[in-house]
Amino acid sequence: DTEVTQTPKHLVMGMTNKKSLKCEQHMGHRAMYWYKQKAKKPPELMFVYSYEKLSINESVPSRFSPECPNSSLLNLHLHALQPEDSALYLCASSRLAGETQYFGPGTRLLVL
Amino acid sequence: GQQLNQSPQSMFIQEGEDVSMNCTSSSIFNTWLWYKQDPGEGPVLLIALYKAGELTSNGRLTAQFGITRKDSFLNISASIPSDVGIYFCAGRTSGTSYGKLTFGQGTILTVHP
Repeated sequence: DTEVTQTPKHLVMGMTNKKSLKCEQHMGHRAMYWYKQKAKKPPELMFVYSYEKLSINESVPSRFSPECPNSSLLNLHLHALQPEDSALYLCASSRLAGETQYFGPGTRLLVL
Repeated sequence: GQQLNQSPQSMFIQEGEDVSMNCTSSSIFNTWLWYKQDPGEGPVLLIALYKAGELTSNGRLTAQFGITRKDSFLNISASIPSDVGIYFCAGRTSGTSYGKLTFGQGTILTVHP
């Protein structure tokens, strides 16, 4: 089983809203990742968690706030986003950081 | 920083034709991954390569890890309409912190029935 799930599938939010994206995996993976992807471009790494600790923050604006409450869950809290933040947000996991990553289906975010 | 040059950028082929795409880098990689992404979905892992010279197949797909460790190719034989999508290569070096991947820019594949 190499399934990573993400909810919601689609999200529309205003610039003053607060929302959260959720990612879940039950493969026992100890590394989880958030990526942002624009249309027809490769994914861009945002955050890496290893053993529930934030290991990498790729200079992401503070309006994006990640959280890893346990080894199976990864959240991305969104606040005061800009229209240019509209994108597909992908979660991925790997057994350990540095090993092969498996992606979820993504959340399509539209900021109005 | 590290860069992967993926080519071609796009391909338009007839159903039944074979397809070949590749990625090259000026840096040495110790892992090569090939993903396929359908519109509105996340990338799906097709093949993972871990050793220089390794040749791995997955159904109609075959990928190789270049001997120099600076390149990889993906072949698709006898293409079918469901092969349509964007194919990304991704590589990882031993010095990369926490497994950060470097992605190619993608190859957009269109298959005409």
